[in-house]
Amino acid sequence: DTEVTQTPKHLVMGMTNKKSLKCEQHMGHRAMYWYKQKAKKPPELMFVYSYEKLSINESVPSRFSPECPNSSLLNLHLHALQPEDSALYLCASSPGGTGGYEQYFGPGTRLTVT
Amino acid sequence: GEDVEQSLFLSVREGDSSVINCTYTDSSSTYLYWYKQEPGAGLQLLTYIFSNMDMKQDQRLTVLLNKKDKHLSLRIADTQTGDSAIYFCAESNSGGYQKVTFGIGTKLQVIP
Repeated sequence: DTEVTQTPKHLVMGMTNKKSLKCEQHMGHRAMYWYKQKAKKPPELMFVYSYEKLSINESVPSRFSPECPNSSLLNLHLHALQPEDSALYLCASSPGGTGGYEQYFGPGTRLTVT
Repeated sequence: GEDVEQSLFLSVREGDSSVINCTYTDSSSTYLYWYKQEPGAGLQLLTYIFSNMDMKQDQRLTVLLNKKDKHLSLRIADTQTGDSAIYFCAESNSGGYQKVTFGIGTKLQVIP
């Protein structure tokens, strides 16, 4: 099973709202990632968690707050977003360590900020 | 820094072979990947190749790597309409294996 699940599939939020995106994998992967993808562009890395610890933060604004409650779950908490934050948010996971580095992506959450 | 380049668009007829090309600049690239993205969907890992290999075949897919020229290609045999999608070439290196650098993506259009 090489499945990464994400909820919700679509999200519309106002600039004053607080919402969370959720990601889950049950492949035993030890690295999990958040990406942002704008239309007709490749994914841009936001955060990497390795063994449940934040290992990479690509200078993402503090209105995006990641959380890794356990090795299977990854959340992205959203607060006071701007319209330009509207995008497809992709979660990915990879085995990590000696298990390999290929990343498996979820279907994404389509976020619209109004 | 790392850079991955691809052409933007490729059009082929159903049943023909498709070849999508990619060049990268980072000589320390260790892993090279091909991802497929259909409209409104996430990225599907199609295949990947280690830099110490020069070819990998998986059913209709053949990946060729020319490490000297830093050139990667994906050949899809007997291309079907379901292959229409955007194909991303990507690389990661041994120093920053958690960071994958993606190309801009090649849109493959399959004409019935």
